[in-house]
Amino acid sequence: DQQVKQNSPSLSVQEGRISILNCDYTNSMFDYFLWYKKYPAEGPTFLISISSIKDKNEDGRFTVFLNKSAKHLSLHIVPSQPGDSAVYFCAASSNNAGNMLTFGGGTRLMVKP
Amino acid sequence: SQTIHQWPATLVQPVGSPLSLECTVEGTSNPNLYWYRQAAGRGLQLLFYSVGIGQISSEVPQNLSASRPQDRQFILSSKKLLLSDSGFYLCAWSDLADTQYFGPGTRLTVL
Repeated sequence: DQQVKQNSPSLSVQEGRISILNCDYTNSMFDYFLWYKKYPAEGPTFLISISSIKDKNEDGRFTVFLNKSAKHLSLHIVPSQPGDSAVYFCAASSNNAGNMLTFGGGTRLMVKP
Repeated sequence: SQTIHQWPATLVQPVGSPLSLECTVEGTSNPNLYWYRQAAGRGLQLLFYSVGIGQISSEVPQNLSASRPQDRQFILSSKKLLLSDSGFYLCAWSDLADTQYFGPGTRLTVL
């Protein structure tokens, strides 16, 4: 049973436009959420996180939104750049579970020049 | 600042051969350490985690094992590799916070 799901395996966006990556979760005990970016043959790089006490966190071009009632979070990248092309993983953790991360399956973002 | 190293970067091994992947962390003490595997086209699967020397928890039963002989060293091993062990292996560390930081990974191909 996948507790964290990224239902879109891929997303294609034009340079300069907004990229919206979505993530759904089922475990209501999750209280911390993260986004990672991964290039091929490299380890994931931490991008941005959000605690369940917030509904929005912004860092430069990256904004994460959390909708707890819908158990949904999204990552917005504005404006999108070709260098943003990568696989993006969302992850969630619960303080009750020792902060172990549960990852989604990833979404491949392609930003076209 | 903290850094995490993994080696080797790539490895090609025959079925039935042993495996040893090493991960070391610098710049922090008593980190939590993790081994993940990313199989082709799939997400990240947690294999093992460790909260201290000699303490290993396994998330997925399989022919892999892990050891933590030193505070900042985490080793992933197998006595006999299977074809299904092919994948991209990632080591990660975290401190008391929730964020995990990943190493560069090891691409393992079992033939």
